[in-house]
Amino acid sequence: ETGVTQTPRHLVMGMTNKKSLKCEQHLGHNAMYWYKQSAKKPLELMFVYSLEERVENNSVPSRFSPECPNSSHLFLHLHTLQPEDSALYLCASSQDHGGRGGYTFGSGTRLTVV
Amino acid sequence: AQSVTQLGSHVSVSEGALVLLRCNYSSSVPPYLFWYVQYPNQGLQLLLKYTSAATLVKGINGFEAEFKKSETSFHLTKPSAHMSDAAEYFCAVIRNTGNQFYFGTGTSLTVIP
Repeated sequence: ETGVTQTPRHLVMGMTNKKSLKCEQHLGHNAMYWYKQSAKKPLELMFVYSLEERVENNSVPSRFSPECPNSSHLFLHLHTLQPEDSALYLCASSQDHGGRGGYTFGSGTRLTVV
Repeated sequence: AQSVTQLGSHVSVSEGALVLLRCNYSSSVPPYLFWYVQYPNQGLQLLLKYTSAATLVKGINGFEAEFKKSETSFHLTKPSAHMSDAAEYFCAVIRNTGNQFYFGTGTSLTVIP
């Protein structure tokens, strides 16, 4: 257990479905992140939350909607996804927004859009 | 722009041989540098980090990395490869005046018995 827990581990969804990814950290960190990891591409930062406020949104399509109800939980709501959205979605947290102590990652959710 | 370059997307070494994974960064100011490892179907795990305290940084599992400002490099090494070291390795940088990680494209390490 890494301290950052992601559920579900695997998700298969149709393009018309609505689903949510969940991330939970018990490290007392103040910043949380969503990354997308696709084959043969660098990790893509999607969203950054610091003290429950979104501080960065890197031109992510609106079919991805993040939610951070408190400093321990982060969600990624998905709707009308495309096959190219299939990837490993990683959640991470850090003590502060700067992340200079490093990030702690969850094990990821493997998403397949059919 | 702040970035890292990992030379070699795939590296193969024999068990017991030296592991050398290369990372070069571009930065006009001293950065914070990290190495992460990712095992299959897992998230990224921090191996070690450089935060300007010492140029030779020791991490977990026998790995270490040396910050060389003159070469803008932060290569990862391990004297003797073990089968369990087979994984994907990512170099990452964060500028000390910034707040975003930039990850390299990763190097897949294969250990041959």
